[in-house]
Amino acid sequence: KNEVEQSPQNLTAQEGEFITINCSYSVGISALHWLQQHPGGGIVSLFMLSSGKKKHGRLIATINIQEKHSSLHITASHPRDSAVYICAAMEYGNKLVFGAGTILRVKS
Amino acid sequence: DARVTQTPRHKVTEMGQEVTMRCQPILGHNTVFWYRQTMMQGLELLAYFRNRAPLDDSGMPKDRFSAEMPDATLATLKIQPSEPRDSAVYFCASGLVIRGTGELFFGEGSRLTVL
Repeated sequence: KNEVEQSPQNLTAQEGEFITINCSYSVGISALHWLQQHPGGGIVSLFMLSSGKKKHGRLIATINIQEKHSSLHITASHPRDSAVYICAAMEYGNKLVFGAGTILRVKS
Repeated sequence: DARVTQTPRHKVTEMGQEVTMRCQPILGHNTVFWYRQTMMQGLELLAYFRNRAPLDDSGMPKDRFSAEMPDATLATLKIQPSEPRDSAVYFCASGLVIRGTGELFFGEGSRLTVL
């Protein structure tokens, strides 16, 4: 079992839909990162969370430390949101463990 | 804008050749990571440094890979000898990580193809 599990693996949505990507981890962490990677592109850090919720534009990330679960939400999705979204857990000692990623495609 | 700079962006080499990838982290960042990304394995941590000291390189094949940080402005990842299965995109990331938290900044990656 991977230490960081993401779901779904693939997600297709219509423009305007509300999207949720889930991440569960089994290790003790100091922080959880959500990353975005566009096709052929580099990796951009969206959020770093250690508790609660963060919001940036149409993106919202939440984390429940007790349940070892985090979610990334996209409101009013747009085709430009199409990308791979990766959850990464920073273990104590700064080791970063990645989920397999969620491939999101938003159709217009 | 401060950014993580990686060179080369693309490298094609023949099996058995030595490959060196370089990373310039953002000034002031205390933690530097090397990752590898393949279609099959996704992102894998190879090694990371805190304040230039190697903390964990258990993700690297020790017999052929080596990672160093000769100074605060340069991190290197060397493969010798290279093999076709090393073909991947290699990312460097840096961050000011304090008590386990800190935003990470990724370089654009070095795409390595070993023939």
